[in-house]
Amino acid sequence: DTAVSQTPKYLVTQMGNDKSIKCEQNLGHDTMYWYKQDSKKFLKIMFSYNNKELIINETVPNRFSPKSPDKAHLNLHINSLELGDSAVYFCASSRSTGGGQPQHFGDGTRLSIL
Amino acid sequence: AQTVTQSQPEMSVQEAETVTLSCTYDTSESDYYLFWYKQPPSRQMILVIRQEAYKQQNATENRFSVNFQKAAKSFSLKISDSQLGDAAMYFCAYRSARRYNFNKFYFGSGTKLNVKP
Repeated sequence: DTAVSQTPKYLVTQMGNDKSIKCEQNLGHDTMYWYKQDSKKFLKIMFSYNNKELIINETVPNRFSPKSPDKAHLNLHINSLELGDSAVYFCASSRSTGGGQPQHFGDGTRLSIL
Repeated sequence: AQTVTQSQPEMSVQEAETVTLSCTYDTSESDYYLFWYKQPPSRQMILVIRQEAYKQQNATENRFSVNFQKAAKSFSLKISDSQLGDAAMYFCAYRSARRYNFNKFYFGSGTKLNVKP
């Protein structure tokens, strides 16, 4: 029944490793997002895909690479993890039609770099 | 680019009382949408309320209501009869109605609400 699900919920890893976070939505939305929430709770948009096409690509290190195999999935791969990557990463989805639809968020993935 | 400002980093309210969280935004657009999201300690982001800019009537959802002042670009959230479960971070968000910017949401920095028993 979960609308936007992301896995894993927690990720603890060492600096320099490569990791992935997966996201899936079953709402039939055509747009998906990745946000980074830092320790001060500020939400920063990273990427957005609309129907598998990248439409938002904010200033993010190229160690971060999103992949959208279909419009229900948006995964985030991070290479060579750094201490500053420690944060909570949220996946979200929305509809691009129908007038001002809100975003629906996953539960977040807490990434901790040792 | 649009900006959303929440000038109160933290607020406290006594249980059963009323509290208002403020949000202002900067835009040159006339048509847009505004949202309040709640993030409890469980870290889920939960939609609280939504307002269309073309509607003059303020949105209401049970104990939550907004005071939308379009000319002043202000969108405050009022929580009546505060409950312990209302303790959370609250985020104000803006979504453009313009096609070129339709898929981008702009978030404020959040207000942490404490509810005292």
